Amino acid sequence: DAKTTQPPSMDCAEGRAANLPCNHSTISGNEYVYWYRQIHSQGPQYIIHGLKNNETNEMASLIITEDRKSSTLILPHATLRDTAVYYCIVRPYSGSARQLTFGSGTQLTVLP
Amino acid sequence: NAGVTQTPKFQVLKTGQSMTLQCAQDMNHNSMYWYRQDPGMGLRLIYYSASEGTTDKGEVPNGYNVSRLNKREFSLRLESAAPSQTSVYFCASSETRPTQYFGPGTRLTVL
Repeated sequence: DAKTTQPPSMDCAEGRAANLPCNHSTISGNEYVYWYRQIHSQGPQYIIHGLKNNETNEMASLIITEDRKSSTLILPHATLRDTAVYYCIVRPYSGSARQLTFGSGTQLTVLP
Repeated sequence: NAGVTQTPKFQVLKTGQSMTLQCAQDMNHNSMYWYRQDPGMGLRLIYYSASEGTTDKGEVPNGYNVSRLNKREFSLRLESAAPSQTSVYFCASSETRPTQYFGPGTRLTVL
């Protein structure tokens, strides 16, 4: 699986957009970008995934650069409940069932 | 639709005791997983079940056994608990494998 690099921490004001970057310069053509988050003491939560086109769902938007070497997760109107560690994971869509490798992620703190 | 449920939420064991952690999902997923998460560390896969009737070892299987009871349920058993097994245990399920849905976790302390 391709290695990802994320900033260790970020702050965001409540109600503003939170933009979380991820670098994955060694991504392969068949690998998708997945985002998960883990709110303190809870299980990880799937947010969104994409291959090369921008994606949006009820939780967030995912912007992937044209060369696919980086991406940005956007929480359009961050709330205090969005405070969590956010993980960017690059994985093939199919393949054997195996673990998700969560790196160190980005600790997002939403400030009132 | 409860998603993935785990019981118990908390458990304290003495060294050498045994226990079974229960996990159930109501999303009709084929694949289920058991992870452990130690303080300040990422999740490590203990065992997984790609489909009903199959189980496979993950990264850290020693000291654990699993049973895929049916499509809904996947249990994790500690036969003789050790302090090194103090951790938070998460169960997950998936249909498309990288999109895994996690339970709330079981916090286990072994004294």
